[in-house]
Amino acid sequence: GAVVSQHPSRVICKSGTSVKIECRSLDFQATTMFWYRQFPKQSLMLMATSNEGSKATYEQGVEKDKFLINHASLTLSTLTVTSAHPEDSSFYICSALDEVYSNQPQHFGDGTRLSIL
Amino acid sequence: KQEVTQIPAALSVPEGENLVLNCSFTDSAIYNLQWFRQDPGKGLTSLLLIQSSQREQTSGRLNASLDKSSGRSTLYIAASQPGDSATYLCAVRYTGRRALTFGSGTRLQVQP
Repeated sequence: GAVVSQHPSRVICKSGTSVKIECRSLDFQATTMFWYRQFPKQSLMLMATSNEGSKATYEQGVEKDKFLINHASLTLSTLTVTSAHPEDSSFYICSALDEVYSNQPQHFGDGTRLSIL
Repeated sequence: KQEVTQIPAALSVPEGENLVLNCSFTDSAIYNLQWFRQDPGKGLTSLLLIQSSQREQTSGRLNASLDKSSGRSTLYIAASQPGDSATYLCAVRYTGRRALTFGSGTRLQVQP
């Protein structure tokens, strides 16, 4: 069964809306979660690394004020796309890692398809 | 720059064929390498994980190899089936990094 749950799976909303996406680890404690973005027919690009209890680390070119990340517990990280615009439309997907068992596969959520009208 | 490249970008084969997908990486200092499957509009399903110290991993009809010195990994799919049609992604965890670096994927179509 799924070990990482991501919600919602699809969002369609108007330009200017803020959208929150949740990523949960279901049966393990995720010391670290990652947020990726995938454009059509392209690969996954890392946006930021979310660390429990501390600030997220953003990749170069990713606006931290645009993509707010909160990792308040060992099982939940949220990504909020603030004041979303059509160019933010994409497939967002999270993964989770337990550093204690870092030699295990990284598991991914099912992704969130975000469409901004 | 630490990159991952996959060839071919797309592949179409008749059912029953054995096939090989290729992945190359630019830095041999890797922690592990993971192969994923992605169906259209869906998330990622982990297929195989190869640790840096390993040469290959097998799961059912899938076999993945790793050659760090040449910076290559291959995913071998035996007796392909239409249900194998998907995009296959190779991802490397480079030493010193926790996140994965992904290749651009190989879109596989298995014709019945």
